[in-house]
Amino acid sequence: QKEVEQDPGPLSVPEGAIVSLNCTYSNSAFQYFMWYRQYSRKGPELLMYTYSSGNKEDGRFTAQVDKSSKYISLFIRDSQPSDSATYLCAMSETGGFKTIFGAGTRLFVKA
Amino acid sequence: GAVVSQHPSWVICKSGTSVKIECRSLDFQATTMFWYRQFPKQSLMLMATSNEGSKATYEQGVEKDKFLINHASLTLSTLTVTSAHPEDSSFYICSARDRQGAIGELFFGEGSRLTVL
Repeated sequence: QKEVEQDPGPLSVPEGAIVSLNCTYSNSAFQYFMWYRQYSRKGPELLMYTYSSGNKEDGRFTAQVDKSSKYISLFIRDSQPSDSATYLCAMSETGGFKTIFGAGTRLFVKA
Repeated sequence: GAVVSQHPSWVICKSGTSVKIECRSLDFQATTMFWYRQFPKQSLMLMATSNEGSKATYEQGVEKDKFLINHASLTLSTLTVTSAHPEDSSFYICSARDRQGAIGELFFGEGSRLTVL
């Protein structure tokens, strides 16, 4: 079993839809949870960073962490074609030396 | 946000030659940098962890003699693919952690696409 599971998609939605991206994990020691966005042939960029459980909102993006279920989510409201990219979840333990990445979900937002 | 510069962004070389890729943190000091390899439509595969002033730590299955990593300063790490072969063709990405930044927060370079003929 992988430490981090993420559905690779692809996920195709119409413009304006609410997008829900999710990851599950098995290591209860993970404390730091990140979402990265990667456009084709580019390096990933950090979107959201959360410590422990709870919600965090930044503009159209909301990150949720449920440590009891070992489940994290990223919601994108009012999705735009420019949101079309691969979204990678990532996690680190306290001490945080190594970051474990999910497989990435490819998202297509159709105009 | 913090900026990581990776160079070259793409390179084509002949089989048997060596290629060097540079990763620089432009506005912060990075005691640790990471090198990844990414195949089309797949996630990042961690190759090695580069620590300033010491030897790199390689992941299982990664040949340290083939992928030479040097982290000579707090802002520069290099990956040299030695005696490259077509199967080494891939997208290589580095990331860096700000020594004063949040745990787990990584900043990525733009990636280097290597094609070995």
